[in-house]
Amino acid sequence: GAVVSQHPSWVICKSGTSVKIECRSLDFQATTMFWYRQFPKQSLMLMATSNEGSKATYEQGVEKDKFLINHASLTLSTLTVTSAHPEDSSFYICSARTPLGYGYTFGSGTRLTVV
Amino acid sequence: AQSVTQLGSHVSVSEGALVLLRCNYSSSVPPYLFWYVQYPNQGLQLLLKYTTGATLVKGINGFEAEFKKSETSFHLTKPSAHMSDAAEYFCAVSDRDDKIIFGKGTRLHILP
Repeated sequence: GAVVSQHPSWVICKSGTSVKIECRSLDFQATTMFWYRQFPKQSLMLMATSNEGSKATYEQGVEKDKFLINHASLTLSTLTVTSAHPEDSSFYICSARTPLGYGYTFGSGTRLTVV
Repeated sequence: AQSVTQLGSHVSVSEGALVLLRCNYSSSVPPYLFWYVQYPNQGLQLLLKYTTGATLVKGINGFEAEFKKSETSFHLTKPSAHMSDAAEYFCAVSDRDDKIIFGKGTRLHILP
């Protein structure tokens, strides 16, 4: 149980275009989801906390206009990288707090390459 | 604010040898502590977690960790390394405000 599905697993886009990444909780309702960014051989950096039905809370230094987060339902949160540039190339991972016990389950990640 | 320090960005052990990955944390309140494993181009998989209760926590794949409050440590161990254990390991802490803070990670190499 407590599975999070992230899609797509990889995407290549041209500079200046926008890319949407989806994160779905398959067998539970997730009122809160988290979006992380991971640079090669580095740790995960929390970008924002996504709350169902309200605005996301962004971490300091994260451009909210570039990384649009929408959490319109209890099972879906999306991250849209707008006007992507090569420096946005990274591994993006979503996470949701599991309903039972205290823990977090993670999506399989999305490798974004902007060319 | 909480933080996590993982000692050693790379650790190499021989197959069959003891695995020890070190993690120290800082938290102003009793923490929740986690160990996650990440394989290349994949998400994170929970190995084990400490919330309350028994300080020795057993996880999946033969891993365990011990919460030592006096040492502010949560080191990960496995008695006998297997080739399939080669991966990136992250220690993480949460002070219950719904945010997890990750350490920088330790790459575990298994030598044949």
